[in-house]
Amino acid sequence: DVKLVESGGGSVQPGESLKLSCTSSDFKLQNSWMYWFRQSPTKGLVWVSRMNPDGDRIEYADSLRGRFTTFRDDAENILYLQMDSLTVDDSALYYCGKEVSQKYSAGYYSYIDSWGQGTPVTVSS
Amino acid sequence: DIQLTQSPSSLSANVGDTVTITCRSSQHIITYLNWYQHKSGKGPNVLIYGASNLASGVPSRFRGSGYEQDFSLIIDNVQPEDSATYYCQQSFDFPPVTFGQGTRLQIK
Repeated sequence: DVKLVESGGGSVQPGESLKLSCTSSDFKLQNSWMYWFRQSPTKGLVWVSRMNPDGDRIEYADSLRGRFTTFRDDAENILYLQMDSLTVDDSALYYCGKEVSQKYSAGYYSYIDSWGQGTPVTVSS
Repeated sequence: DIQLTQSPSSLSANVGDTVTITCRSSQHIITYLNWYQHKSGKGPNVLIYGASNLASGVPSRFRGSGYEQDFSLIIDNVQPEDSATYYCQQSFDFPPVTFGQGTRLQIK
């Protein structure tokens, strides 16, 4: 199994920024669609963003577009999530994940087959 | 956007019971439905993909079924280690990637 490790979480005040990192020692992140998710007790598991292997297609949840930016450093094999203008609603455990596709007779099924352990973000005044 | 509605939101079961969690999609998604198990302190773990395909390494007591809008995750002979939150997720049309709200399973 691929091991993903997130870091960069912490406690900040509303309006501040944080940059999260996701890396792997045994997998090149540029070889798969890579995702960011977050999970909180009140909202469950929520998709944040995803990036394609070429790095030229990045998609965001509508509510987060404009404040969150996903980018990747292929030389260092790190996926980043830059989070700006944070609010208390952004408090959550943030995960990165790797997509895999399984071929079947009519096409492909895709799902997240590897996840990190999560990094916590707390936004509070 | 495709909305997924899970039920129940929580349930309690005895060891050895059979448990069923349902997930209803707001649109027809054929069999593009995945199930994940999420335990505290860990990342989620895929159980079922394509509605009924058992992911690698997952015990055979986990089963998935369904088509188009109505899907089920069935856990036969529930074990103490199955205590977790379970999520369905659609892979038919995204963005956005959408999940159900989660079902918390407690083993008595």
